[in-house]
Amino acid sequence: GENVEQHPSTLSVQEGDSAVIKCTYSDSASNYFPWYKQELGKGPQLIIDIRSNVGEKKDQRIAVTLNKTAKHFSLHITETQPEDSAVYFCAAPDRGSTLGRLYFGRGTQLTVWP
Amino acid sequence: GAGVSQSPRYKVAKRGQDVALRCDPISGHVSLFWYQQALGQGPEFLTYFQNEAQLDKSGLPSDRFFAERPEGSVSTLKIQRTQQEDSAVYLCASSLTTGQGYGYTFGSGTRLTVV
Repeated sequence: GENVEQHPSTLSVQEGDSAVIKCTYSDSASNYFPWYKQELGKGPQLIIDIRSNVGEKKDQRIAVTLNKTAKHFSLHITETQPEDSAVYFCAAPDRGSTLGRLYFGRGTQLTVWP
Repeated sequence: GAGVSQSPRYKVAKRGQDVALRCDPISGHVSLFWYQQALGQGPEFLTYFQNEAQLDKSGLPSDRFFAERPEGSVSTLKIQRTQQEDSAVYLCASSLTTGQGYGYTFGSGTRLTVV
């Protein structure tokens, strides 16, 4: 199956700074890359996703970039706020699957200090 | 409903007990997934339903794990003879359609602790 590596495992930033989380994947056929935010005691929530036919997607303060050649994609959060503190997961689809199964990274604990 | 609902939120089971975890997906969602999330880890796939059909159960860790979705809506994950290594958060997710490229909506999960 797909192998998704995520870095860093923890990230601390000052409020207002930017945060970047990076993921790599192994299957060049993968074509969909979502990012999830998980707050304590809650399930993961989809915050942004990107398909392989574009290199970047933005939604207000968050953006995702994709480099298919290098097989990596990144989450960028600008002007961070304390409420951005959570665990963030990247994911990639199962090789050759049409059913929607995802492989998740191990997560990044983001802490934004006021 | 407005979201994916899971019950119970917390379950403590003695080793060897059977447990049943319930998932109510968003109404009309075709796809339903079960994931297991160990402490400090990302979710790991257990099984997938398309309507009432279980199309992929390759992630179920042993034959003690069984899932069903008999009418294509509510799903139940059953774990027989629970072991300590079964302690985890069990997440249910649903999606409007099938295939890659569609985001899931996750429930808040059931935290299972086996003592």
